[in-house]
Amino acid sequence: DIQMTQSPSSLSASVGDRVTITCRASQGIRNDLGWYQQRPGKAPKRLIYAASSLQSGVPSRFSGSGSGTEFTLTVSSLQPEDFATYYCLQHNSYPPTFGQGTKVDIK
Amino acid sequence: EVQLVESGGGLVQPGGSLRLSCAASGFTFSTYAMSWVRQAPGKGLEWVSTISGSGAGTYYADSVKGRFTISRDNSKKTLYLQINSLGAEDTAIYYCARSGSGWFAFDYWGQGTLVTVSS
Repeated sequence: DIQMTQSPSSLSASVGDRVTITCRASQGIRNDLGWYQQRPGKAPKRLIYAASSLQSGVPSRFSGSGSGTEFTLTVSSLQPEDFATYYCLQHNSYPPTFGQGTKVDIK
Repeated sequence: EVQLVESGGGLVQPGGSLRLSCAASGFTFSTYAMSWVRQAPGKGLEWVSTISGSGAGTYYADSVKGRFTISRDNSKKTLYLQINSLGAEDTAIYYCARSGSGWFAFDYWGQGTLVTVSS
C-alpha cells in the first residue's frame, strides 16, 4: 500500500496567516491526489482534486500543488471557518489511502 | 444538488450485524461508483469499500474483507453496506461517498452514521 505522510500533524495559526500543509507519498502517484477539509462533527469536504484543481464552490484562498510524491495545500489567508483538520487522499494505486491528517487550530 | 443521507447505524453487540444505507439524490446514481469510508472516534479516515455504477465490481479493504458486503439498488438510488461479525475495532462513523473522476476520488460525502460495537 502507498503510505501518505502529512506534515505537520498539527499547527497553530492566526486569522490572516498563510498556511501550508505537505503530503508525501511513499511512491509516485502522478497527480492523483485530493485534499479534504473536516470541521469538527462534520463530514469531510473536498477542496482540491487532481492535486491542483479547485473544487467548485471552494474559496480561491485554497490552492494545491505538486506531482509525483510531494504535494502541498496552501491557504493564503486563514479565515475563522478554516480551523479544521485537513487530509490528503491518493487514488492512484489500490487501495486508496489517506494521510493521517493535519489539525489547524487557533493560536 | 448532490445529497447523500446515511442511516442504519446504532449500538450492536460484538459479533453482531447491521445494514447501513445511503440514499442518494441530485445526480444520476447508476453512473457513479460509490464508496464507504469510516472514521473511528478521534482517528483519521479509512477507506472501507467501493462498488461500481452497475454493481458488478466491488472492492474491499483487507480489514473488512469477508465480513462486509457492499451492494446497491439503482432503482432506489440507494447504497448499502452489510456489516457482519462486528468487533470493537469497527466502531466508527461510516460515511458514504460518491466517486468522481476515478473510482476512489471521492467528491461528495454524506453526513455519516455512527456504529458502536459494545456489550
